[in-house]
Amino acid sequence: KQEVTQIPAALSVPEGENLVLNCSFTDSAIYNLQWFRQDPGKGLTSLLLIQSSQREQTSGRLNASLDKSSGRSTLYIAASQPGDSATYLCAVGQGGSEKLVFGKGTKLTVNP
Amino acid sequence: KAGVTQTPRYLIKTRGQQVTLSCSPISGHRSVSWYQQTPGQGLQFLFEYFSETQRNKGNFPGRFSGRQFSNSRSEMNVSTLELGDSALYLCASSPRTGNGYTFGSGTRLTVV
Repeated sequence: KQEVTQIPAALSVPEGENLVLNCSFTDSAIYNLQWFRQDPGKGLTSLLLIQSSQREQTSGRLNASLDKSSGRSTLYIAASQPGDSATYLCAVGQGGSEKLVFGKGTKLTVNP
Repeated sequence: KAGVTQTPRYLIKTRGQQVTLSCSPISGHRSVSWYQQTPGQGLQFLFEYFSETQRNKGNFPGRFSGRQFSNSRSEMNVSTLELGDSALYLCASSPRTGNGYTFGSGTRLTVV
């Protein structure tokens, strides 16, 4: 059974800092991995999708990496801003299934 | 391009009642999935439909059911509501396997 863990559960940083969010998964037989952002009481916004054959994806100040063999992914946020404050969720797509398995998320607070 | 639309946004029901939630996927997306989000359990997969067929089902009681119509719109139904069914219900759509998911804003269900 796939399990996804995100550490830390919460993170508070000053504005301008570069930061890394971690995601680990127990079964390396994944189809893809997707990072989402969720603002309080809202739905999920897709940030980056990494296919199992890829090592990383970049979008603006965001960079996500994937190491299937070690069961890890990281989301790097450069030059953080208060508007980046949200909960960041990692989700793993399993081969042969459309089901996403989510981590519990990292709640990020960027202080002005 | 319109996103995933969920209606209603908020719902208050009494224990024992039933409820139907609606999801309109992005045009051209044939896969629709449903997730339940609670503070304690996080995001949990309910079921996934593709071309009107349920392909996957999560570990939820039979009170939770769904369907998909020929235009890809989907509904989920919860019968005999319990207090523990209070949650944010999220719908997601995808054009095909491996393309990642786009989520709607969710329906906030409160059972009193």
